Amino acid sequence: SQQGEEDPQALSIQEGENATMNCSYKTSINNLQWYRQNSGRGLVHLILIRSNEREKHSGRLRVTLDTSKKSSSLLITASRAADTASYFCATDATGRRALTFGSGTRLQVQP
Amino acid sequence: DSGVTQTPKHLITATGQRVTLRCSPRSGDLSVYWYQQSLDQGLQFLIQYYNGEERAKGNILERFSAQQFPDLHSELNLSSLELGDSALYFCASSPKSGGTDTGELFFGEGSRLTVL
Repeated sequence: SQQGEEDPQALSIQEGENATMNCSYKTSINNLQWYRQNSGRGLVHLILIRSNEREKHSGRLRVTLDTSKKSSSLLITASRAADTASYFCATDATGRRALTFGSGTRLQVQP
Repeated sequence: DSGVTQTPKHLITATGQRVTLRCSPRSGDLSVYWYQQSLDQGLQFLIQYYNGEERAKGNILERFSAQQFPDLHSELNLSSLELGDSALYFCASSPKSGGTDTGELFFGEGSRLTVL
């Protein structure tokens, strides 16, 4: 079963715009991670935020975590065509030994 | 390049057959995870091994089995294949055991299985 659900399922923006993706989950977590997947390729880790953190930055990425609402958001600023990919949140739920992935957001950045 | 190697990249076989997918983790990583990605089910966790021992089991069918060898490479065996087993199978590795804190996973490029 999937712990995280991303919203929106698909997002199309113009180059230079910001992209925001949201993730909701159901149980308590140790950490939440975001991954990117180019079409048919392997997943690439982007960023990890621990349950006691509220915000984290990495380059053009900004992740927030609200454990009271069981939600996270990923913001990609100044998007580029190369950011076109699917983005997945993954939760490391308390008591589980493996990451549970959401259904993903397909981001299309138009040049 | 994540450092995780999966073979074969593509595999086409018939229903009822058996296949073996192979994964070599990143150098030094003791944990290997197997995930299945299909259009209707998304990314599903199958099984995890740590230093040769099974550590966690997810939605793995009884027709599927896996093992991790002393050199830390892992194999996923899929038998009595059905059309619905067509999917991308990913292996991921991690230096952590996945107990109280699963860190970053490093994914291979996947093995695309097509069952006809």
